[in-house]
Amino acid sequence: EDKVVQSPLSLVVHEGDTVTLNCSYEVTNFRSLLWYKQEKKAPTFLFMLTSSGIEKKSGRLSSILDKKELFSILNITATQTGDSAVYLCAGGSGGSNYKLTFGKGTLLTVNP
Amino acid sequence: DTGVSQDPRHKITKRGQNVTFRCDPISEHNRLYWYRQTLGQGPEFLTYFQNEAQLEKSRLLSDRFSAERPKGSFSTLEIQRTEQGDSAMYLCASSLDGTAAYQPQHFGDGTRLSIL
Repeated sequence: EDKVVQSPLSLVVHEGDTVTLNCSYEVTNFRSLLWYKQEKKAPTFLFMLTSSGIEKKSGRLSSILDKKELFSILNITATQTGDSAVYLCAGGSGGSNYKLTFGKGTLLTVNP
Repeated sequence: DTGVSQDPRHKITKRGQNVTFRCDPISEHNRLYWYRQTLGQGPEFLTYFQNEAQLEKSRLLSDRFSAERPKGSFSTLEIQRTEQGDSAMYLCASSLDGTAAYQPQHFGDGTRLSIL
C-alpha cells in the first residue's frame, strides 16, 4: 500500500526563523511529489517535483526531491505569521499523475 | 471566480439520510477527483473521472457511495444511508490531462459533512 510520511507533525517557530519540513514516500508507479498549503479550506498547490536534485523556488519557499532516497523537503525562510498552515505532501502515481497519496501534514505555527 | 467550486459548503444530516454534493471543476480541466479528509489526516483518494468516464475507485468507496459526471463537466457525489463514520470534509479537485507534462490537481474548498 502506498505511504507518505511527514515530519514533524507540528512545529512552532518565531517570525523570521527558517523551517524545513520533511516528506518520505513509498508510492507504486511514482510520477511526482507535490506540496500543498492548507489554511482551513482548500489545499493550495505550491510545488510539483518530478526530477531529483532540481530545486524549485517560489519567493521564500523552496523544495527539492531525492528519488533515490524517496525523500523531499520544503524549506521556508524568513517565516511570517501568514505562513501558519498545514503543509501537505503527496505522492503522485499512475498515468499522468492521477492519484495522489497524501501524508498527514505538518502543522506550522509562526508566532510574532 | 475561476477555481474549483463545491456546493454546499456544509451539510448536516441525520444518520440514515441520503446526501448529494456537487463539484464544478475549472472549466478547461477534463480530469476530476474526489477525496475525503478527516481531522488530522491528509486527503484520501476516493475516485476520479476523465471527462465523463469514471476510471478509478478506491476501496474506501463503499457501495453506499456513487459519483457521476454525466456530461464531463460538473460532478456529483452521493452517499446513501449515511453513517457516523461518513462525517468528513469531501474535497473535489480538477486538473488538465497532461501528456507532455504532469498536471497538478487544484482543490475546491470542500463540503463538510456532519452526521447527527
